[in-house]
Amino acid sequence: GAVVSQHPSWVICKSGTSVKIECRSLDFQATTMFWYRQFPKQSLMLMATSNEGSKATYEQGVEKDKFLINHASLTLSTLTVTSAHPEDSSFYICSARYKIVGYGYTFGSGTRLTVV
Amino acid sequence: QKEVEQDPGPLSVPEGAIVSLNCTYSNSAFQYFMWYRQYSRKGPELLMYTYSSGNKEDGRFTAQVDKSSKYISLFIRDSQPSDSATYLCAMSATGNQFYFGTGTSLTVIP
Repeated sequence: GAVVSQHPSWVICKSGTSVKIECRSLDFQATTMFWYRQFPKQSLMLMATSNEGSKATYEQGVEKDKFLINHASLTLSTLTVTSAHPEDSSFYICSARYKIVGYGYTFGSGTRLTVV
Repeated sequence: QKEVEQDPGPLSVPEGAIVSLNCTYSNSAFQYFMWYRQYSRKGPELLMYTYSSGNKEDGRFTAQVDKSSKYISLFIRDSQPSDSATYLCAMSATGNQFYFGTGTSLTVIP
């Protein structure tokens, strides 16, 4: 249980274009979705937190106009990297919160974005 | 000071060895502790979850939390080549925002 499906798993795009990454919770309702990015040999850095039906909360230093997050339903959240540049190349991972004793997180498999 | 400190390794052990992975933290309010395993180019997968202090065992894996020392550990017994991955610790005070360690890269040599 508590599976999150993330697509695409990898994408190469040209500089200046936009890329959309989708995360779907398959067997539970994800009221809260977290978006992370991970650079090589570094840990997960939280970019933003989104709650279904409301605007995402961005971490300090993350451009909300560049990284558009939409959480329109309880099973789908999307991250759109707008006007991508090579420095946006990274591994992007979504995570949904579910309840066990307290709360747990389940992660998508990640999206490797390369901007050329 | 980082919220969570984790030795990045790399750590290399022979098959069958006992592996000890550790994280220290600075926030005494942390009470949710997790260990994730991440294979290359994949998302992290939850291994162990612990609330508050104490030990938890699941098969070959044992998680320990020492809140007085702000120190958590993950032990892997009878390590296997398939255990080769990066192991991330994560912790939270409220169960909302989790803070991750940088991950420890483990290689188990057959």
